[in-house]
Amino acid sequence: DTGVSQNPRHKITKRGQNVTFRCDPISEHNRLYWYRQTLGQGPEFLTYFQNEAQLEKSRLLSDRFSAERPKGSFSTLEIQRTEQGDSAMYLCASSFQGRATDTQYFGPGTRLTVL
Amino acid sequence: SQQGEEDPQALSIQEGENATMNCSYKTSINNLQWYRQNSGRGLVHLILIRSNEREKHSGRLRVTLDTSKKSSSLLITASRAADTASYFCATDGNRGSTLGRLYFGRGTQLTVWP
Repeated sequence: DTGVSQNPRHKITKRGQNVTFRCDPISEHNRLYWYRQTLGQGPEFLTYFQNEAQLEKSRLLSDRFSAERPKGSFSTLEIQRTEQGDSAMYLCASSFQGRATDTQYFGPGTRLTVL
Repeated sequence: SQQGEEDPQALSIQEGENATMNCSYKTSINNLQWYRQNSGRGLVHLILIRSNEREKHSGRLRVTLDTSKKSSSLLITASRAADTASYFCATDGNRGSTLGRLYFGRGTQLTVWP
């Protein structure tokens, strides 16, 4: 399977704990995005990388959230001191910037439940 | 907000019927994309239409774009039960600081009954 992969698929944690999610993009894609989706809503942008550079962060990305893409390949999203409001589906997408169409391809998501 | 909004929020039809979903957005765009999401899953890219295009086809899908009205429609012809899913439109930001991110609406939940 050469699509975007995310791990874990599900994560249940207690409030106050830290969690980390991983995203592996499509191999030749240089852009990687993180989105968050709550029930009944569309995905909301969190942040994106071009290669290893984090180019934009949403106001939704509080200081408890940090994302990295150290070698310009996979990315991690860490949430520190989780809160119940962090419960959501966290989606990763990748694209190849430079082509005429910048289609973003999404992974299956990581569903986070904070108890 | 540059968020697109889909209409209707929910649509229920019989197999074989056509389904039409609409999307409105607020700012100028470079392109507009439609995605499908099965319950609890990731998004699947369906079709992208550029701002200088008015209509595009892909299999049973037909997308139109009217930039003067800032609206788009997705038509699924001869629907099947397997088309049951949520459908989202997504717009890009064509200003430098927001290049890259997509703005999604809340989606249309389509149910196709066998």
